[in-house]
Amino acid sequence: DVKVTQSSRYLVKRTGEKVFLECVQDMDHENMFWYRQDPGLGLRLIYFSYDVKMKEKGDIPEGYSVSREKKERFSLILESASTNQTSMYLCASSFPPETYNEQFFGPGTRLTVL
Amino acid sequence: AQSVAQPEDQVNVAEGNPLTVKCTYSVSGNPYLFWYVQYPNRGLQFLLKYITGDNLVKGSYGFEAEFNKSQTSFHLKKPSALVSDSALYFCAVQAAGNKLTFGGGTRVLVKP
Repeated sequence: DVKVTQSSRYLVKRTGEKVFLECVQDMDHENMFWYRQDPGLGLRLIYFSYDVKMKEKGDIPEGYSVSREKKERFSLILESASTNQTSMYLCASSFPPETYNEQFFGPGTRLTVL
Repeated sequence: AQSVAQPEDQVNVAEGNPLTVKCTYSVSGNPYLFWYVQYPNRGLQFLLKYITGDNLVKGSYGFEAEFNKSQTSFHLKKPSALVSDSALYFCAVQAAGNKLTFGGGTRVLVKP
């Protein structure tokens, strides 16, 4: 079974802090994604990566950055956390081509910014 | 731009009754359609997908979905719902060259 793990299930941070969310997958997937999930809005894509050291902006990249130094690991960085970044963050991975291969999701990190 | 609409925030159904979760989409070009389910305190799990071919797609846990091109719909169905089907369901669409776009989600509550 594909396993996607995220470093924390729950995280509480203060406004202005730098926050790191880590994601690791064990199936040698090329594609990795970061989403945020908010009630009524579904999932919105923040950033994605097709290969090591590659990254592309999704629909809502403002206030976020990412890092992919190794194929299995994709990190999401909140440079200066703000209260409107309180959300559930989901990491996913898939084989290419992403168009018709399903994504495998981690359990999520619920981030609260005070 | 592509989009997905799930018109019902919540669907209530009695155990043993048929379950339908509605989804309509808008894309340019051929759509690739997915259903995912999220059980409480867990990540999303893939249920089924339509890429091409037969309009009726069968997936995990007894779920199926019918692709209707003329109505731009991809409704999820299960003939006999179980209490354990209570979860949050997401429809998603993708066209070539675009990223996956999710609907807002529909919460399903199956009552004993």
